[in-house]
Amino acid sequence: DTEVTQTPKHLVMGMTNKKSLKCEQHMGHRAMYWYKQKAKKPPELMFVYSYEKLSINESVPSRFSPECPNSSLLNLHLHALQPEDSALYLCASSPGQGNLGRGYTFGSGTRLTVV
Amino acid sequence: AQTVTQSQPEMSVQEAETVTLSCTYDTSESDYYLFWYKQPPSRQMILVIRQEAYKQQNATENRFSVNFQKAAKSFSLKISDSQLGDAAMYFCAYISNFGNEKLTFGTGTRLTIIP
Repeated sequence: DTEVTQTPKHLVMGMTNKKSLKCEQHMGHRAMYWYKQKAKKPPELMFVYSYEKLSINESVPSRFSPECPNSSLLNLHLHALQPEDSALYLCASSPGQGNLGRGYTFGSGTRLTVV
Repeated sequence: AQTVTQSQPEMSVQEAETVTLSCTYDTSESDYYLFWYKQPPSRQMILVIRQEAYKQQNATENRFSVNFQKAAKSFSLKISDSQLGDAAMYFCAYISNFGNEKLTFGTGTRLTIIP
């Protein structure tokens, strides 16, 4: 079983819909991340939360809104998306600064299709 | 900015043979970590092996080993006794120990195992 759980696994939404992606980790990690991955491309960082505070926003459009309710949960709220936002959205967690050498643990992703 | 380059978009190997995937990176820092991640069709990014930059000894994990050449900024992955389950996209990744917690990926190498 994966230690980082993402729901839903698949999502189809219209351009006027509002939806949310959810991520949960029970590893005691202090940092959580959202990545976007287009087909046959590497993941691209979107947001970093460290100790529940947003530490990095990689110039992501405001139609993507992250939220970190507590150290175990990370949400990505979606509104007014465009078809080009269709991609695999990966969540990851890590122990954070001082333990970066242990790497990230990834969830299995949400496959998002915007129609 | 740090960059990671994988010059082999695709590789193939006969089952039970050995294959080496190449990775080079560019950084001005001295304290960092390097990783190889595997992404099978199931989509989840799985950590294969990690290397600490200040350790000269090459990391080994069962059939997976690396050749870390710090001066040349090279970090190749060797897979011995290749198995059908090794078929996947392999990403080389870099993270600075004192940076912004951003894991930077190379463009990936698709590995095919020939039965």
